[in-house]
Amino acid sequence: QVQLVQSGAEVKKTGASVKVSCKASGYGFTGYYIHWVRQAPGQGLEWMGWINPSSGGTKYAQKFQGRVTLTRDTSIRTAYMELSRLRSDDTALYYCAREMGAMVIAFDNWGQGTLVTVSS
Amino acid sequence: DTQMTQSPPSLSASVGDRVTITCQASQDISNHLNWYQQKSGRAPKLLIYDTSNLEIGVPSRFSGSGSGTDFTFTINSLQPEDFATYYCQHYDDVPSVTFGPGTKVDLK
Repeated sequence: QVQLVQSGAEVKKTGASVKVSCKASGYGFTGYYIHWVRQAPGQGLEWMGWINPSSGGTKYAQKFQGRVTLTRDTSIRTAYMELSRLRSDDTALYYCAREMGAMVIAFDNWGQGTLVTVSS
Repeated sequence: DTQMTQSPPSLSASVGDRVTITCQASQDISNHLNWYQQKSGRAPKLLIYDTSNLEIGVPSRFSGSGSGTDFTFTINSLQPEDFATYYCQHYDDVPSVTFGPGTKVDLK
């Protein structure tokens, strides 16, 4: 079955960077875009961007332009989200999600989430 | 960018009730509207895509309708496991993605 397994929780200092991984299994990794979505404590869902695992092409939400970098390693079926210049309001649960494909941008499989805590 | 609003922000309902949530877009988004359920501490779950298509394995008591700027999500005969927060999500041709602010459904 399709699975997305994310790396473990991180605690970072203000100004640092964090890199979260998302390992895919159970489907053709290069055939489906991976998106990243975050959720601050008690808040709603916020889309960050996507990566095309086949080409490496990316699109970032304007809010995160210049601070987020999405990459992938097809040899190990893993996508990465790196967020730099961390602030306290970046404290959130970060999810990777698979786009369902067939021209529909809906997320049919999600990782378990990675909690990133930013403190001074 | 298209803005998404959801109403109500929260509602209280009883088992067996019919629940309706609306999502409004700031401009015409065709049928590019999806709905998710999120339970506390869990990742969101896709329920409906492209306005009215039920995701595989999702019970038929969930349904969606609408077009253009106004969309509706309905739960017919609310079940105990349906108490959760529900989000609409829009996508465009870029594609970029926008989530609605969510509607929390709790027990009356």
